[in-house]
Amino acid sequence: DVKVTQSSRYLVKRTGEKVFLECVQDMDHENMFWYRQDPGLGLRLIYFSYDVKMKEKGDIPEGYSVSREKKERFSLILESASTNQTSMYLCASSLSGRGDPTGELFFGEGSRLTVL
Amino acid sequence: GQNIDQPTEMTATEGAIVQINCTYQTSGFNGLFWYQQHAGEAPTFLSYNVLDGLEEKGRFSSFLSRSKGYSYLLLKELQMKDSASYLCAALDSNYQLIWGAGTKLIIKP
Repeated sequence: DVKVTQSSRYLVKRTGEKVFLECVQDMDHENMFWYRQDPGLGLRLIYFSYDVKMKEKGDIPEGYSVSREKKERFSLILESASTNQTSMYLCASSLSGRGDPTGELFFGEGSRLTVL
Repeated sequence: GQNIDQPTEMTATEGAIVQINCTYQTSGFNGLFWYQQHAGEAPTFLSYNVLDGLEEKGRFSSFLSRSKGYSYLLLKELQMKDSASYLCAALDSNYQLIWGAGTKLIIKP
């Protein structure tokens, strides 16, 4: 079974703090994604990566950065957390290559971040 | 703009059938996904449709009409464990996923 593991299920941070959210997948998937999920809204893509050291902005990249130094690991960084970044963050991976985005996404269980 | 509409919440009875509708407006279209998400858990893949018609997978079926910009997820013989949110997502011409807000399905005994 594919497993996508997110490092923290729940975090509480203060405004201005730096936040690292880590995601690891164990099935050698090329593509990895970071989404945020807020009540009443669809999933919104923050960043994605289709290869090591490659990254592309999604719909809402402002205030976030990412790092993919190894194929299995994709980190989301909030350089200076703000209250409007309080949300559920979901990491996902997929096997399909960049030219075939129709593949199934495998999600982690999410990291619920509260910024005070 | 691009948009996905699905009902916010639905209630159904154990053993019954329920249909969750999804309409989409996207720039181009390359397929439609349904995912299931239990409270506090990760979304899991249910189906992918790119051609018109009905695809059946056990108790779950998914239908697509490209001309109408419409899909539905049909759940038969409902079980209590089917209580979850159901997420509809369309793939646009740039192969970006556009997500609906999800339909929370409540199953009553």
